[in-house]
Amino acid sequence: NAGVMQNPRHLVRRRGQEARLRCSPMKGHSHVYWYRQLPEEGLKFMVYLQKENIIDESGMPKERFSAEFPKEGPSILRIQQVVRGDSAAYFCASSLQLGANVLTFGAGSRLTVL
Amino acid sequence: GQQLNQSPQSMFIQEGEDVSMNCTSSSIFNTWLWYKQDPGEGPVLLIALYKAGELTSNGRLTAQFGITRKDSFLNISASIPSDVGIYFCAGQLQAGANSKLTFGKGITLSVRP
Repeated sequence: NAGVMQNPRHLVRRRGQEARLRCSPMKGHSHVYWYRQLPEEGLKFMVYLQKENIIDESGMPKERFSAEFPKEGPSILRIQQVVRGDSAAYFCASSLQLGANVLTFGAGSRLTVL
Repeated sequence: GQQLNQSPQSMFIQEGEDVSMNCTSSSIFNTWLWYKQDPGEGPVLLIALYKAGELTSNGRLTAQFGITRKDSFLNISASIPSDVGIYFCAGQLQAGANSKLTFGKGITLSVRP
């Protein structure tokens, strides 16, 4: 496991469709963060998950967005009924410990909503 | 909410020159980090600072955690073409469950050969 793996790298959806973004953390890491980056902006925190637990979802929009990190398999960020404003790069990061500040980021998933 | 300010948005320097980037905040952070992002990639951690006043180097990079805990700077010496990219500062208020990072908007660095 070379690092944090995200797929798909690029995803195109029409308005109203669903987008699912997957993140496999680094080997041995059980904490996952999702961040969103709009064009020419910094990364904005969305959600922090541990296996089977949501630790902090204070950055998640109230509707249409959900995240999970099951016991087995990757973390999933799900966006229902996408709108044009959801177009962004979505980055996943993982860490070994609770609340670590040394995060390893994936290469991101770029969502385009037509 | 907490905000980190980075300016200018873009910087243009000649290869071999030094460059300094500043990051300021309206509130205190207990950890400061500097990341670099290449086009189409995720951010990569350059330097982490854990104590007010701390000065840390990583090769040609030097960063300092401001005494007030409301600012940090990153210095790149003897720039080379591969230094091109977007440099983000990030702050963390605390460890534990509320450990999210707050990012600045980034500074795009261009290096002329």
